[in-house]
Parts: sequence; structure tokens; C-alpha cells
Amino acid sequence: DAKTTQPPSMDCAEGRAANLPCNHSTISGNEYVYWYRQIHSQGPQYIIHGLKNNETNEMASLIITEDRKSSTLILPHATLRDTAVYYCIGIILTGGGNKLTFGTGTQLKVEL
Amino acid sequence: GAGVSQSPSNKVTEKGKDVELRCDPISGHTALYWYRQRLGQGLEFLIYFQGNSAPDKSGLPSDRFSAERTGESVSTLTIQRTQQEDSAVYLCASSLHYQETQYFGPGTRLLVL
Repeated sequence: DAKTTQPPSMDCAEGRAANLPCNHSTISGNEYVYWYRQIHSQGPQYIIHGLKNNETNEMASLIITEDRKSSTLILPHATLRDTAVYYCIGIILTGGGNKLTFGTGTQLKVEL
Repeated sequence: GAGVSQSPSNKVTEKGKDVELRCDPISGHTALYWYRQRLGQGLEFLIYFQGNSAPDKSGLPSDRFSAERTGESVSTLTIQRTQQEDSAVYLCASSLHYQETQYFGPGTRLLVL
């Protein structure tokens, strides 16, 4: 799985868009970009994933560059409840199961 | 719909005692994973079940750890003769199929005194 690099922390004002970057320059062609988050003392929560195209769901949007070397997770209207550690990981969905490992992630702090 | 559930949410035990942790995956999910997360650390894979196939136990840290799964439903993780270093959050995740997105439960916080 690709090594991903994320800034250790970011701040965002409540109601504003939070744009969380992730670099994955070694990503392979069949490797998906996944985003999870972990709110303090809770289990990881799946947010969104994509391969090549931009994706949007009820939680967030995922913008993947054309060369797939980086991506941005966008929370369009951040709330205090979005304060969490956000993890960007590359996953090849193949047989044998996918043993997830999280890096250090980005600690997003949403403030009033 | 219902997500992954785990019980108990918290468990305090004395060193040397056995503990059993339970995971109820999302209905219809054939794949189930157990992970461990120590305080401030990342995920540590423990074991993976896929349908009726033999489980992948490659992440179990010692023979004190074992897990079972009944068909494609409930799984239990058993830790025998607990040690203080077993203190962690034990997370369960399930996916529709082994190639699908994993969804996590809230975890069981285990404290071994």
C-alpha cells in the first residue's frame, strides 16, 4: 500500500469548508484512496473513497488529482463534531482481506 | 441500518484473568476483522475471518489470544491470562466482502490492572 503524507494538524472555523490534503506519490494504479476519521475515544469512521474520479457523499467530497499523486478531502461546512483525526490511506482491494494501518493522520480542530 | 456493535464497551480486569470480547457485525457482512489500538497508537491487525474460509490469524500477538466466529455472524475474541500490556481498545470491523470497505464498531476498552 502507498505511503501517505498528511499535515499533523489543521484548524477550521465552524461553518467553513475544511480542506484536508494528502500526498500519495507512490500510489499504484489499482490502489484506492480511502479516508477514515477517528473522533476521540471512538472507533474509526469511514468517510469516503475513490480511485480516479472525484467522489461526493453525504459526509464529504474527495478530489483526486489527475496524476493521482495527491488528494483533498473536503468537509463543506465543518461543525464542532467534525473535530477528529483524519486518516488518508491507500488500499488495494484484493483477496485475503485488507489489514488496515493508519499513519499519524491530521488532527482537525473545528472552532467557533 | 445498524452498524457494528461491540460489547462490553469497557472492561476492567485483574492480571491473570481471562476476558471475552464480543463483536456483532453488520448483517450480511461476510468479512470480519479484529484490531487493537493502544493509547495514542495506530491500528494493529489481529485476525480476519472471511465466510467459511480458515481465518488469517497472522496478527495475534501470542497464544493467549484466540478468536472464533459463528458462520457469518457474531465473533468473540478471547484473551487468556491477561497481562497489563494487553490494555488497549479492541476494535472490530466488518465488510460486505473481503474486497469491500470496512466499517468499525465503537470498540471495547480493556484495562488490565
